[in-house]
Amino acid sequence: NAGVTQTPKFRVLKTGQSMTLLCAQDMNHEYMYWYRQDPGMGLRLIHYSVGEGTTAKGEVPDGYNVSRLKKQNFLLGLESAAPSQTSVYFCASNGGPDTQYFGPGTRLTVL
Amino acid sequence: AQTVTQSQPEMSVQEAETVTLSCTYDTSESNYYLFWYKQPPSRQMILVIRQEAYKQQNATENRFSVNFQKAAKSFSLKISDSQLGDTAMYFCAFMKPNFGNEKLTFGTGTRLTIIP
Repeated sequence: NAGVTQTPKFRVLKTGQSMTLLCAQDMNHEYMYWYRQDPGMGLRLIHYSVGEGTTAKGEVPDGYNVSRLKKQNFLLGLESAAPSQTSVYFCASNGGPDTQYFGPGTRLTVL
Repeated sequence: AQTVTQSQPEMSVQEAETVTLSCTYDTSESNYYLFWYKQPPSRQMILVIRQEAYKQQNATENRFSVNFQKAAKSFSLKISDSQLGDTAMYFCAFMKPNFGNEKLTFGTGTRLTIIP
């Protein structure tokens, strides 16, 4: 039981490049979330999903897209990366109105 | 919208001492959850303790306990017999149960350093 995993752990992009972050969970959770963490701030919600095939916007969705084609996976895409998207990205999941379990994070730098 | 405030950006304490981290929140909800997460240098977000708002009894987990004051909207974390491994960022977070839309609202964190 690996819990929540994220791929990759680190990435450096140039402005305008695209990439996809992968989140996978093996706990059969319905709900999955993407957060970003910036210095001096707590985590802020980017997008979330309440089940396979569903997605919704969070607090800071601009510049990101997501997909939940399979229940266990939640993908976060950056179509045209900008320096303002330099951050640490966390994925989380939970099975109900209870605790969210977090992945190890992905450190993304956009030059 | 809910807000979570942690007014102590940094704290330090000697090993084996007790330390209390403060958190206040603002909400009009009556049913919700409160959490303390620990983030060590590894960046992993680790759940420390959870409190359900409808439970009057304060949650405890070994050396960690909370002082939950619902009327005052206060949720402080007490760490007893502090250890070097407790050095980390600590985030207070609020969650309203909402059938999948359980978004966590985080405070800005408190950086805790345990001094040998």
